[in-house]
Amino acid sequence: SAVISQKPSRDICQRGTSLTIQCQVDSQVTMMFWYRQQPGQSLTLIATANQGSEATYESGFVIDKFPISRPNLTFSTLTVSNMSPEDSSIYLCSVNLGTEAFFGQGTRLTVV
Amino acid sequence: AQKVTQAQTEISVVEKEDVTLDCVYETRDTTYYLFWYKQPPSGELVFLIRRNSFDEQNEISGRYSWNFQKSTSSFNFTITASQVVDSAVYFCALSESSNDYKLSFGAGTTVTVRA
Repeated sequence: SAVISQKPSRDICQRGTSLTIQCQVDSQVTMMFWYRQQPGQSLTLIATANQGSEATYESGFVIDKFPISRPNLTFSTLTVSNMSPEDSSIYLCSVNLGTEAFFGQGTRLTVV
Repeated sequence: AQKVTQAQTEISVVEKEDVTLDCVYETRDTTYYLFWYKQPPSGELVFLIRRNSFDEQNEISGRYSWNFQKSTSSFNFTITASQVVDSAVYFCALSESSNDYKLSFGAGTTVTVRA
C-alpha cells in the first residue's frame, strides 16, 4: 500500500492569489495524479505528473492555471494560480501501485 | 462519452433497509479495473473494493456485497441492513490499461440513512 500526505489540508485564499499544494508519498512511483472535486461534483482528473518530464494535462486544464512540479519519485506539487471563487474545490493527489489507486486526504480550498 | 454512469443521484433509506447502488461502465479494453469508493462528509476517499475484468465472482465483505456482470457492463453495490454511518457519497470508478490506469469516476450516489 501507499501512504500519501497532502498539505495543506484546507485553506481559505483571496481571489487573485496562488496556492501550492504538496503531495508526499512513502513509495517511489512513476506517475502521480491530481484530481479536482468541485462542490457536490465527482472527481475530475487535472493532470498526470511524471518525474523528469512535463505533466500531461486533461482537456479543460492548462499549465498556466495549474502548474505542476515533480522533482523526484515521491513528491509533487500542484499550484492553483490566479484563483477565483470557481476554483473552490477539494484537490486530491493520487498514485497507483500496480493497478491499485491510493488517495491523499485532500486539500479543501475556499477562494473568497 | 461518460465512461461510468451511476444512475441514482440520491438514495434515502431507513436504518436496517438494504440499498443497492447501480454502476454501469463503458470500455473497449479487455483489461480494466472497477472500483467503489466511499466519501463521508469529512471528504476523504475510502477505498471499498477493486475488481479486475477477468474476475466476475461476486464478493461479500460484511454488510457490503458487489455484483459484477460483464454481460451488462455493470458493477452494482449493495449495503445490507444499512446503518446511519453508511451515510456518504459513493463513487464507482473505472481504470483501463489503455489509459495508464487513470481513474474515471461516476457522478456519485449520495446515500442518506435515517435512524
